[in-house]
Amino acid sequence: AQKVTQAQTEISVVEKEDVTLDCVYETRDTTYYLFWYKQPPSGELVFLIRRNSFDEQNEISGRYSWNFQKSTSSFNFTITASQVVDSAVYFCALSPVSSGSARQLTFGSGTQLTVLP
Amino acid sequence: DAGVTQSPTHLIKTRGQHVTLRCSPISGHKSVSWYQQVLGQGPQFIFQYYEKEERGRGNFPDRFSARQFPNYSSELNVNALLLGDSALYLCASSFTPSGPQEQYFGPGTRLTVT
Repeated sequence: AQKVTQAQTEISVVEKEDVTLDCVYETRDTTYYLFWYKQPPSGELVFLIRRNSFDEQNEISGRYSWNFQKSTSSFNFTITASQVVDSAVYFCALSPVSSGSARQLTFGSGTQLTVLP
Repeated sequence: DAGVTQSPTHLIKTRGQHVTLRCSPISGHKSVSWYQQVLGQGPQFIFQYYEKEERGRGNFPDRFSARQFPNYSSELNVNALLLGDSALYLCASSFTPSGPQEQYFGPGTRLTVT
Protein backbone atom coordinates (compact mmCIF):
# COMPACT_ATOMS: atom_id res chain seq x y z
CA ALA A 1 0.00 0.00 0.00
CA GLN A 2 1.13 3.54 -0.68
CA LYS A 3 0.72 6.50 1.64
CA VAL A 4 1.60 10.18 1.42
CA THR A 5 1.68 12.38 4.51
CA GLN A 6 1.64 16.16 4.52
CA ALA A 7 1.86 17.12 8.16
CA GLN A 8 1.43 20.84 7.56
CA THR A 9 -2.26 21.59 7.23
CA GLU A 10 -1.92 25.36 6.81
CA ILE A 11 0.99 27.73 6.32
CA SER A 12 0.91 31.52 6.17
CA VAL A 13 3.82 33.62 4.97
CA VAL A 14 4.34 37.22 3.99
CA GLU A 15 5.04 37.97 0.36
CA LYS A 16 8.69 37.51 -0.70
CA GLU A 17 9.39 35.01 2.07
CA ASP A 18 10.60 31.54 1.14
CA VAL A 19 8.34 28.65 2.15
CA THR A 20 8.96 24.91 2.29
CA LEU A 21 6.19 22.34 2.11
CA ASP A 22 6.92 18.96 3.64
CA CYS A 23 5.99 15.56 2.21
CA VAL A 24 6.75 12.08 3.55
CA TYR A 25 5.74 8.96 1.67
CA GLU A 26 5.52 5.21 2.11
CA THR A 27 5.70 2.66 -0.69
CA ARG A 28 6.86 -0.91 -1.24
CA ASP A 29 7.77 -0.17 -4.85
CA THR A 30 11.46 0.15 -5.61
CA THR A 31 10.81 2.65 -8.38
CA TYR A 32 8.15 5.32 -8.34
CA TYR A 33 7.33 8.87 -9.31
CA LEU A 34 6.76 11.76 -6.95
CA PHE A 35 4.76 14.84 -7.86
CA TRP A 36 3.71 18.21 -6.55
CA TYR A 37 0.37 19.65 -7.69
CA LYS A 38 -1.20 23.02 -6.94
CA GLN A 39 -4.95 23.50 -6.53
CA PRO A 40 -6.14 27.12 -6.64
CA PRO A 41 -9.67 28.01 -5.49
CA SER A 42 -10.97 27.23 -9.01
CA GLY A 43 -10.43 23.55 -8.19
CA GLU A 44 -8.30 22.43 -11.13
CA LEU A 45 -5.16 20.56 -10.17
CA VAL A 46 -2.08 22.09 -11.80
CA PHE A 47 1.03 19.95 -12.29
CA LEU A 48 4.19 21.56 -10.87
CA ILE A 49 7.03 19.04 -10.74
CA ARG A 50 7.80 15.32 -11.11
CA ARG A 51 10.70 13.37 -9.71
CA ASN A 52 11.82 9.79 -10.46
CA SER A 53 12.82 7.70 -7.47
CA PHE A 54 16.01 6.57 -9.21
CA ASP A 55 17.25 10.14 -9.63
CA GLU A 56 17.93 11.92 -6.37
CA GLN A 57 19.42 15.01 -7.95
CA ASN A 58 17.68 18.03 -6.57
CA GLU A 59 16.83 20.79 -8.99
CA ILE A 60 15.57 24.30 -9.25
CA SER A 61 12.96 25.44 -11.72
CA GLY A 62 12.34 29.14 -11.56
CA ARG A 63 11.07 29.93 -8.06
CA TYR A 64 10.44 26.24 -7.34
CA SER A 65 12.95 23.79 -5.95
CA TRP A 66 12.68 20.38 -4.35
CA ASN A 67 14.65 18.24 -1.98
CA PHE A 68 14.22 14.51 -2.56
CA GLN A 69 15.80 12.22 0.04
CA LYS A 70 15.10 8.55 -0.56
CA SER A 71 16.78 7.57 2.71
CA THR A 72 14.15 9.45 4.70
CA SER A 73 11.29 9.03 2.17
CA SER A 74 10.85 12.77 1.96
CA PHE A 75 10.08 15.01 -1.00
CA ASN A 76 9.96 18.62 0.17
CA PHE A 77 9.01 21.52 -2.05
CA THR A 78 10.24 25.11 -1.71
CA ILE A 79 8.87 28.28 -3.21
CA THR A 80 11.38 31.11 -3.22
CA ALA A 81 10.24 34.72 -2.93
CA SER A 82 6.59 33.77 -2.53
CA GLN A 83 3.87 35.80 -4.22
CA VAL A 84 0.21 36.31 -3.40
CA VAL A 85 -0.69 34.29 -6.51
CA ASP A 86 1.03 31.28 -4.95
CA SER A 87 -1.82 31.03 -2.45
CA ALA A 88 -3.42 27.63 -3.04
CA VAL A 89 -3.59 24.10 -1.70
CA TYR A 90 -0.49 22.11 -2.55
CA PHE A 91 -0.59 18.33 -2.89
CA CYS A 92 2.24 15.86 -2.88
CA ALA A 93 1.51 12.64 -4.80
CA LEU A 94 3.08 9.27 -5.55
CA SER A 95 2.61 6.78 -8.38
CA PRO A 96 4.21 3.47 -9.38
CA VAL A 97 6.58 3.23 -12.33
CA SER A 98 5.79 -0.33 -13.44
CA SER A 99 4.44 -0.32 -16.99
CA GLY A 100 1.76 -2.79 -15.95
CA SER A 101 0.45 -0.54 -13.24
CA ALA A 102 -2.33 1.92 -13.66
CA ARG A 103 -1.32 5.56 -13.43
CA GLN A 104 -2.79 5.69 -9.97
CA LEU A 105 -1.77 8.77 -8.04
CA THR A 106 -1.85 8.57 -4.26
CA PHE A 107 -2.24 12.07 -2.86
CA GLY A 108 -1.50 13.55 0.51
CA SER A 109 -4.13 15.57 2.34
CA GLY A 110 -2.71 18.86 1.11
CA THR A 111 -1.20 22.01 2.62
CA GLN A 112 -3.11 25.27 2.39
CA LEU A 113 -0.59 28.00 1.63
CA THR A 114 -1.62 31.61 2.18
CA VAL A 115 0.73 34.33 1.04
CA LEU A 116 -0.11 37.68 2.60
CA PRO A 117 0.69 40.96 0.85
CA ASP B 1 -5.56 23.24 -27.66
CA ALA B 2 -8.41 22.68 -25.26
CA GLY B 3 -7.61 21.11 -21.93
CA VAL B 4 -9.57 18.40 -20.18
CA THR B 5 -13.23 19.33 -20.05
CA GLN B 6 -15.85 18.04 -17.64
CA SER B 7 -19.60 18.42 -17.46
CA PRO B 8 -21.62 19.45 -15.67
CA THR B 9 -19.77 21.94 -13.49
CA HIS B 10 -22.12 21.58 -10.55
CA LEU B 11 -24.81 19.07 -9.76
CA ILE B 12 -27.28 18.62 -6.92
CA LYS B 13 -28.88 15.22 -6.42
CA THR B 14 -31.00 13.51 -3.79
CA ARG B 15 -30.00 10.41 -1.86
CA GLY B 16 -30.79 7.23 -3.79
CA GLN B 17 -30.63 8.88 -7.20
CA HIS B 18 -28.20 8.09 -9.99
CA VAL B 19 -25.69 10.48 -11.55
CA THR B 20 -23.57 10.51 -14.72
CA LEU B 21 -20.50 12.71 -15.01
CA ARG B 22 -18.71 13.29 -18.30
CA CYS B 23 -15.12 13.95 -19.29
CA SER B 24 -13.40 14.79 -22.56
CA PRO B 25 -9.64 14.29 -22.58
CA ILE B 26 -7.06 16.45 -24.26
CA SER B 27 -6.92 15.73 -27.98
CA GLY B 28 -4.62 12.76 -28.59
CA HIS B 29 -4.80 11.46 -25.02
CA LYS B 30 -6.09 7.91 -24.80
CA SER B 31 -6.05 7.37 -21.05
CA VAL B 32 -8.62 8.81 -18.65
CA SER B 33 -8.63 8.57 -14.88
CA TRP B 34 -11.28 9.56 -12.34
CA TYR B 35 -10.65 10.86 -8.83
CA GLN B 36 -12.95 11.79 -5.95
CA GLN B 37 -11.96 14.70 -3.73
CA VAL B 38 -13.94 15.12 -0.55
CA LEU B 39 -13.76 18.59 0.99
CA GLY B 40 -10.54 19.06 2.92
CA GLN B 41 -8.86 15.93 1.61
CA GLY B 42 -6.63 14.94 -1.27
CA PRO B 43 -8.07 13.30 -4.39
CA GLN B 44 -8.66 9.54 -4.28
CA PHE B 45 -8.27 7.33 -7.32
CA ILE B 46 -11.47 5.72 -8.59
CA PHE B 47 -10.79 4.33 -12.09
CA GLN B 48 -8.41 4.45 -15.00
CA TYR B 49 -9.39 3.59 -18.58
CA TYR B 50 -7.18 3.15 -21.60
CA GLU B 51 -8.37 2.23 -25.07
CA LYS B 52 -11.82 1.53 -23.60
CA GLU B 53 -10.46 -1.02 -21.17
CA GLU B 54 -10.37 -0.63 -17.39
CA ARG B 55 -6.72 -0.49 -16.31
CA GLY B 56 -7.15 0.20 -12.64
CA ARG B 57 -9.77 0.51 -9.94
CA GLY B 58 -9.50 2.13 -6.54
CA ASN B 59 -11.20 1.12 -3.33
CA PHE B 60 -14.73 2.23 -4.19
CA PRO B 61 -18.00 0.27 -3.98
CA ASP B 62 -19.69 -1.28 -7.00
CA ARG B 63 -22.11 1.65 -7.06
CA PHE B 64 -19.34 3.41 -8.95
CA SER B 65 -18.80 2.44 -12.57
CA ALA B 66 -17.26 4.02 -15.63
CA ARG B 67 -16.72 3.51 -19.30
CA GLN B 68 -14.67 4.99 -22.11
CA PHE B 69 -15.94 5.62 -25.60
CA PRO B 70 -14.22 5.19 -28.97
CA ASN B 71 -13.42 8.92 -29.02
CA TYR B 72 -11.68 8.42 -25.61
CA SER B 73 -14.22 10.48 -23.70
CA SER B 74 -15.44 8.90 -20.51
CA GLU B 75 -18.44 8.70 -18.19
CA LEU B 76 -18.47 8.07 -14.47
CA ASN B 77 -21.72 6.67 -13.10
CA VAL B 78 -22.72 6.52 -9.47
CA ASN B 79 -25.85 4.65 -8.39
CA ALA B 80 -27.84 4.85 -5.17
CA LEU B 81 -26.21 8.11 -4.12
CA LEU B 82 -25.26 8.58 -0.48
CA LEU B 83 -24.59 11.82 1.37
CA GLY B 84 -20.93 10.77 1.53
CA ASP B 85 -20.68 10.85 -2.26
CA SER B 86 -20.76 14.65 -2.10
CA ALA B 87 -17.38 15.67 -3.49
CA LEU B 88 -15.45 17.22 -6.34
CA TYR B 89 -14.99 14.62 -9.08
CA LEU B 90 -11.87 15.16 -11.12
CA CYS B 91 -10.99 13.68 -14.47
CA ALA B 92 -7.42 13.45 -15.72
CA SER B 93 -6.03 12.47 -19.10
CA SER B 94 -2.65 11.36 -20.42
CA PHE B 95 -1.19 9.86 -23.59
CA THR B 96 -0.59 6.45 -22.09
CA PRO B 97 -1.77 4.60 -18.99
CA SER B 98 1.65 4.54 -17.32
CA GLY B 99 5.11 6.03 -17.59
CA PRO B 100 6.54 9.44 -16.75
CA GLN B 101 4.08 11.61 -18.62
CA GLU B 102 2.06 13.68 -16.23
CA GLN B 103 -1.71 13.61 -16.04
CA TYR B 104 -3.64 16.75 -16.90
CA PHE B 105 -6.65 17.43 -14.73
CA GLY B 106 -9.96 19.00 -15.63
CA PRO B 107 -11.79 21.59 -13.52
CA GLY B 108 -13.98 18.95 -11.91
CA THR B 109 -17.67 18.40 -11.29
CA ARG B 110 -18.90 19.37 -7.86
CA LEU B 111 -21.58 16.93 -6.76
CA THR B 112 -23.82 17.71 -3.81
CA VAL B 113 -26.07 14.97 -2.47
CA THR B 114 -28.91 16.11 -0.21
